[in-house]
Amino acid sequence: GQQVMQIPQYQHVQEGEDFTTYCNSSTTLSNIQWYKQRPGGHPVFLIQLVKSGEVKKQKRLTFQFGEAKKNSSLHITATQTTDVGTYFCAGLNQGGSEKLVFGKGTKLTVNP
Amino acid sequence: DGGITQSPKYLFRKEGQNVTLSCEQNLNHDAMYWYRQDPGQGLRLIYYSQIVNDFQKGDIAEGYSVSREKKESFPLTVTSAQKNPTAFYLCASSIVYGAVNTEAFFGQGTRLTVV
Repeated sequence: GQQVMQIPQYQHVQEGEDFTTYCNSSTTLSNIQWYKQRPGGHPVFLIQLVKSGEVKKQKRLTFQFGEAKKNSSLHITATQTTDVGTYFCAGLNQGGSEKLVFGKGTKLTVNP
Repeated sequence: DGGITQSPKYLFRKEGQNVTLSCEQNLNHDAMYWYRQDPGQGLRLIYYSQIVNDFQKGDIAEGYSVSREKKESFPLTVTSAQKNPTAFYLCASSIVYGAVNTEAFFGQGTRLTVV
């Protein structure tokens, strides 16, 4: 079945450093979504990418969708302590069943 | 307020007992999902439903059952057949927008502990 792999599993950074998490799917995706889960909270939607090669920005966050629509990345510039949490990607399989498959997430900690 | 509500937030049960987790949404979403979250495992799909009276197994459906008798409700029963039921359970819903679902809205989650 469809698998979504996400790396790294953990990332520790100093405040002000950049951070990137990568997501790879075993199948071509119709879209990919990114979520953030704060400690003790529930996942909250950040963004959805649909087009091949698409790049979207939200302030210090940059999201990319690969040309083959099988990989994606989230990059945070100059991390802040408010960025702490676990970031998940979730892929919707192209031409397959309509279910979101989540990666295992990247847990980000930021040292002030 | 529109949203998705899970109850209770914390639940304790004795081993061998079935337990039902509630999930209600007033967003008029067609699709609803149940995920299980364990430390380091991310979100694993248990069951999902795209329409009333229809649902499909996810990746870890064994030991769980669901029903979708109403659009706004998607309860999950953790049966005694589930070998390791202690976990954080998340319910989510989304609009079915043509063939592509839009974003998923999550409930606050239910933390189930079986002793």
